[in-house]
Amino acid sequence: GESVGLHLPTLSVQEGDNSIINCAYSNSASDYFIWYKQESGKGPQFIIDIRSNMDKRQGQRVTVLLNKTVKHLSLQIAATQPGDSAVYFCAEKGGETSYDKVIFGPGTSLSVIP
Amino acid sequence: ETGVTQTPRHLVMGMTNKKSLKCEQHLGHNAMYWYKQSAKKPLELMFVYSLEERVENNSVPSRFSPECPNSSHLFLHLHTLQPEDSALYLCASSQRAGPQETQYFGPGTRLLVL
Repeated sequence: GESVGLHLPTLSVQEGDNSIINCAYSNSASDYFIWYKQESGKGPQFIIDIRSNMDKRQGQRVTVLLNKTVKHLSLQIAATQPGDSAVYFCAEKGGETSYDKVIFGPGTSLSVIP
Repeated sequence: ETGVTQTPRHLVMGMTNKKSLKCEQHLGHNAMYWYKQSAKKPLELMFVYSLEERVENNSVPSRFSPECPNSSHLFLHLHTLQPEDSALYLCASSQRAGPQETQYFGPGTRLLVL
């Protein structure tokens, strides 16, 4: 039968505020996590990654936090700008071989209000 | 050109047509991927090629036929598609050197099957 369509989680933030996008991952063996940003009409673009031996990693205006206890990943965007409006995907990769596939989450749509 | 490129960017085809999507990566990577992105669904992995050999095929219908002639080029041959195959088809590449692996995506081909 037909699958039920997913409602993409949405987040609206005021320009200049901080954004927090959350992601729950499924595989406790996953040891590498990536955040991607996908703007309308474009492919996903790598933002930041983190390995499971870390709980925090910072980039330019972005921070990724990893909580392995509850299998939770978050992306924090500081001083959100209109250009940050996009769909954000988390991805996980696990196992010990390089052939383990990357599993993508459904995505969160971020809208920045000018 | 840099990164991952895809052609055509948009394609409209009838159910009896045969067409091909092309992907080229300029990153020196050794693995390439095809994904399908439909509305309201997470990214779906279709095919994986590593060192020009197919290593994964996620039970994709035979009307989709991939071809990887070398490490820089990837094709997706389309034949007798159905309207539900309408989606954004994304190509990605990565360097498979271990568990820490980031995939880089092209802009995608927006396919409409009539």
